[in-house]
Amino acid sequence: EIVLTQSPATLSLSPGERATLSCRASQSVSNYLGWYQQKPGQAPRLLIYDASTRATGTPARFSGSGSGTDFILTISSLEPEDFAVYYCQHRSNWYTFGQGTKLEIK
Amino acid sequence: QVQLVEYGGGVVQPGRSLRLSCAASGFTLRTYDMYWVRQAPGKGLEWVAKISSDGSNKSYADSVKDRVTISRDNSKNTVFLQMSNVRAEDTALYYCVKGRSGYFSDWGQGTLVSVSS
Repeated sequence: EIVLTQSPATLSLSPGERATLSCRASQSVSNYLGWYQQKPGQAPRLLIYDASTRATGTPARFSGSGSGTDFILTISSLEPEDFAVYYCQHRSNWYTFGQGTKLEIK
Repeated sequence: QVQLVEYGGGVVQPGRSLRLSCAASGFTLRTYDMYWVRQAPGKGLEWVAKISSDGSNKSYADSVKDRVTISRDNSKNTVFLQMSNVRAEDTALYYCVKGRSGYFSDWGQGTLVSVSS
């Protein structure tokens, strides 16, 4: 079973700053990795799939990179609506999520 | 637009059964794999089950295998999750999710299952 480990658990930043969120897989997942955003009281939303492809409606300030075991979600300049919990997810015969990174306002 | 509406949640006693339903609209259900994903209160996301577009292939998380069955009725635009022998650890918000190449592209708002005596 592939385990996804996200870091940091919590990231405290201010609007306008750059955010870098990490997801590490316990073995190679090629580029089969997605990123989701979840705001309080809402369902998650797919932001990025196949490591770097933005889903429909995802703003350009969100970008994904990486392959193999190490992946990064970057938010180039934080907007107030970006403060949320972010999850990475691997697709295979089973569907694994990371434990999440909470992006909070500093 | 894609709409997924879950219902059937509620309070259920340990060991009992429950069936969740998901009404889909705004897209052609029969062409998409569908999933159930759950989230325990204050916790992260956990994939529960998957059913292929035609219903021929199903897969389950180890945590629920042998206790849940996913099914679908494409003619009625509905996906189901039959839960049996429920446990306290099944308490969660259950989301119905439309798939896209193994990712979870569209989510319902969820139905809450609370297992309690």
